[in-house]
Amino acid sequence: NAGVTQTPKFRILKIGQSMTLQCTQDMNHNYMYWYRQDPGMGLKLIYYSVGAGITDKGEVPNGYNVSRSTTEDFPLRLELAAPSQTSVYFCASSRPGAGSITEAFFGQGTRLTVV
Amino acid sequence: DAKTTQPNSMESNEEEPVHLPCNHSTISGTDYIHWYRQLPSQGPEYVIHGLTSNVNNRMASLAIAEDRKSSTLILHRATLRDAAVYYCILIDAGGTSYGKLTFGQGTILTVHP
Repeated sequence: NAGVTQTPKFRILKIGQSMTLQCTQDMNHNYMYWYRQDPGMGLKLIYYSVGAGITDKGEVPNGYNVSRSTTEDFPLRLELAAPSQTSVYFCASSRPGAGSITEAFFGQGTRLTVV
Repeated sequence: DAKTTQPNSMESNEEEPVHLPCNHSTISGTDYIHWYRQLPSQGPEYVIHGLTSNVNNRMASLAIAEDRKSSTLILHRATLRDAAVYYCILIDAGGTSYGKLTFGQGTILTVHP
């Protein structure tokens, strides 16, 4: 049972480069999320999606783009990498349940360094 | 969005109970109270959630005040593995932000041997 899988686990980017962080889940969850976590800080929501074709901004969306063409995949795109985007990125998924959401499952994270 | 307030840090001894408080005085009637924890160098993991009644599962218990303006996560016997950051989160079951999951700063729990 794979759960939520993120790739890559580590990446070093140069300023101005672009990349896509991949996230896939095999639990048929409607909801998917992207977070960033800076050292010693809490998680900040970047974007989330409540289903294929539907995305919405979170707390810190600037500098990122997302798409959700399938239930399983929710890639996060960085177009022009900046040092301020150095962080650990977490993807998560969950599904509706009993008026709220059920437990969210998180990937192992992608550690991104922009130099 | 309704906010939560948690102490920055707490300490406990191994095998003793731990009560982690959370204040949410602006909670709405459709907000569920969720708790997650994040072990060092890992992604967060779900602990428990509830609406009005106290809840128990294999990991912890959740005690919710009658007015729902506060809640307490109870770890019955702390182990060293319970050392983590604990997040109390309100999730709106209605309205336009349905399904949105945002984290605050959380409480850093230190467990002493």
